[in-house]
Amino acid sequence: ETVMTQTPLSLSVTPGQPASISCKSSQSLRHTDGRTYLYWYLQKPGQSPQLLIYEVSNRLSGVPDRFSGSGSGTDFTLKISRVEAEDAGIYYCLQAIQPLTFGGGTKVEIK
Amino acid sequence: QLQLQESGPGLVRPSETLSLTCSVAGGSITSTTHYWAWVRQPPGKGLEWIGGISYSGSTYFNPSLKSRVTMTIDTSKNQFSLKLTSVTAADTAVYYCASPHSSCWFAPEFWGQGILFTVSA
Repeated sequence: ETVMTQTPLSLSVTPGQPASISCKSSQSLRHTDGRTYLYWYLQKPGQSPQLLIYEVSNRLSGVPDRFSGSGSGTDFTLKISRVEAEDAGIYYCLQAIQPLTFGGGTKVEIK
Repeated sequence: QLQLQESGPGLVRPSETLSLTCSVAGGSITSTTHYWAWVRQPPGKGLEWIGGISYSGSTYFNPSLKSRVTMTIDTSKNQFSLKLTSVTAADTAVYYCASPHSSCWFAPEFWGQGILFTVSA
């Protein structure tokens, strides 16, 4: 099973400032098909998780371009260029190679 | 946009079986060969993938739950279901069903609102 480690556990950010979340996997997420199955979700308070980024760096339709994903192999990063109040919540990374495993989550609080 | 809705009893006694159903609206379960998922979240904790099922009935499960999990799919009703046997307090969680993203066989895209399932005597 691939272990996903997210850091930091929590983050307090002033609106307009950047934020960065790291996600490291215990083994490479590059599949034999050449694709890398790393996903990012945001769970806003009291809501279900919502998919933000798929395959490392592709934003889902409707996701603001202040969100960006990067990385390869075992090291991945989600960046928010200028945090807004609506970005508060818990961010999870997911590796989608069997069996699927989530990171522990990073709580983003807006100051 | 797809809408998913979990349903089932909210309370079950220890050692009994959890049974949940996910009803899908706004699209057909057979529109994709990718896997429809169940994910759970214990109160105040993170997300755990339980498993997935395709419209053909093919399944993949989390190894930690595999011995207790069954998933079925009813394409005529546009529903899929989860059974978890021999439940304990550790199975108390919000259970989500989710549709698959087009990029991947298994990664969830749209999620239901979730249903709290409590194990208690």
